[in-house]
Amino acid sequence: QQQVKQSPQSLIVQKGGISIINCAYENTAFDYFPWYQQFPGKGPALLIAIRPDVSEKKEGRFTISFNKSAKQFSLHIMDSQPGDSATYFCAASVAGGSQGNLIFGKGTKLSVKP
Amino acid sequence: DTGVSQNPRHKITKRGQNVTFRCDPISEHNRLYWYRQTLGQGPEFLTYFQNEAQLEKSRLLSDRFSAERPKGSFSTLEIQRTEQGDSAMYLCASSLGSDTQYFGPGTRLTVL
Repeated sequence: QQQVKQSPQSLIVQKGGISIINCAYENTAFDYFPWYQQFPGKGPALLIAIRPDVSEKKEGRFTISFNKSAKQFSLHIMDSQPGDSATYFCAASVAGGSQGNLIFGKGTKLSVKP
Repeated sequence: DTGVSQNPRHKITKRGQNVTFRCDPISEHNRLYWYRQTLGQGPEFLTYFQNEAQLEKSRLLSDRFSAERPKGSFSTLEIQRTEQGDSAMYLCASSLGSDTQYFGPGTRLTVL
């Protein structure tokens, strides 16, 4: 059972455009939602994260939008650049719990064309 | 470099052999996680330690897998009698409590 569903699987955006990646979760106990960026041959690196007490968080060109009632959250990359080409993973966890392991989506491969 | 380090970065082994990977977490991080990532998939949780105690193991962690974290510092993940299905990237992450998990570069295992 996949607890975090991510779409699209791949995305091609022109330089300067907006990249949008969506995720949906099932477990209402999740209270921490990070996005990770991964380049080939590298480990995932935290990009931005949100907790359900806010509906939006922005850091530079990256914004998370969170809809608690719909159990959905999304990543928006404004002014997308070729250097943003990577695989993006959404994740969720029960951060306040004793475990805190992350449940990841399957990833979105983003290609930004110059 | 004060990030999470993993060694080796690549390991090629023959089916049936044992392999061991090492993870050095960020200093003073009390939690350490192991994940496995196969091609085209997100990382999947294997096990985690709080200090030296192994507190949770995924059903993905078969009896051939064992992990240790002596003295609550570095951790090792051993796979006995490797199978071709064990081929994957093995990722280690560390955190201070339930805060952000920082991932290492991973160990790519290829079982021939």
